[in-house]
Amino acid sequence: GQSLEQPSEVTAVEGAIVQINCTYQTSGFYGLSWYQQHDGGAPTFLSYNALDGLEETGRFSSFLSRSDSYGYLLLQELQMKDSASYFCAAQDTGRRALTFGSGTRLQVQP
Amino acid sequence: SQTIHQWPATLVQPVGSPLSLECTVEGTSNPNLYWYRQAAGRGLQLLFYSVGIGQISSEVPQNLSASRPQDRQFILSSKKLLLSDSGFYLCAWSPRALQYGYTFGSGTRLTVV
Repeated sequence: GQSLEQPSEVTAVEGAIVQINCTYQTSGFYGLSWYQQHDGGAPTFLSYNALDGLEETGRFSSFLSRSDSYGYLLLQELQMKDSASYFCAAQDTGRRALTFGSGTRLQVQP
Repeated sequence: SQTIHQWPATLVQPVGSPLSLECTVEGTSNPNLYWYRQAAGRGLQLLFYSVGIGQISSEVPQNLSASRPQDRQFILSSKKLLLSDSGFYLCAWSPRALQYGYTFGSGTRLTVV
């Protein structure tokens, strides 16, 4: 099976940079995804890493280290609208569906 | 463009009553389809996934079942709801070749009373 750990809550101020970490344990890891979910809404896909390194998509970047079983989501130039929950999700080579972490609630303060 | 429809948006059902939630995808063929459940303030728990018509994989033993009668239709059912079935039910799809970029439906908030 798989398990993913994330901090439950992170607080940052508008305009700052915040990093949300995710560690995973899996028997056949294939890749790590990140999703954003606003209160009452559905999750939306942000980014994906299958290889080590940094993937950049606008203000959001995601990093993966397969040797450390670790990844993070980096949000730059924080805006109030970034207040949401962020989930990492692991894809393994055997199971054809994602396993999600418990989520990190990001609060952006003015 | 591809769209996913999920209904109803909210549902209040008594304990012991049946359940049927429907999800349909438009604008794509042969999608992978998924049902997840989310308890308040928690992560997403995979319930079922399907890679084709009639092909259902169950992840958690429970009183729920799923069916895929058509390529782009995924149905979640229960014969008798329990209080513990309350939650936010999310349907999602992904292209067959890309199994990580899920598109989720708007969800069904189920309250069992």
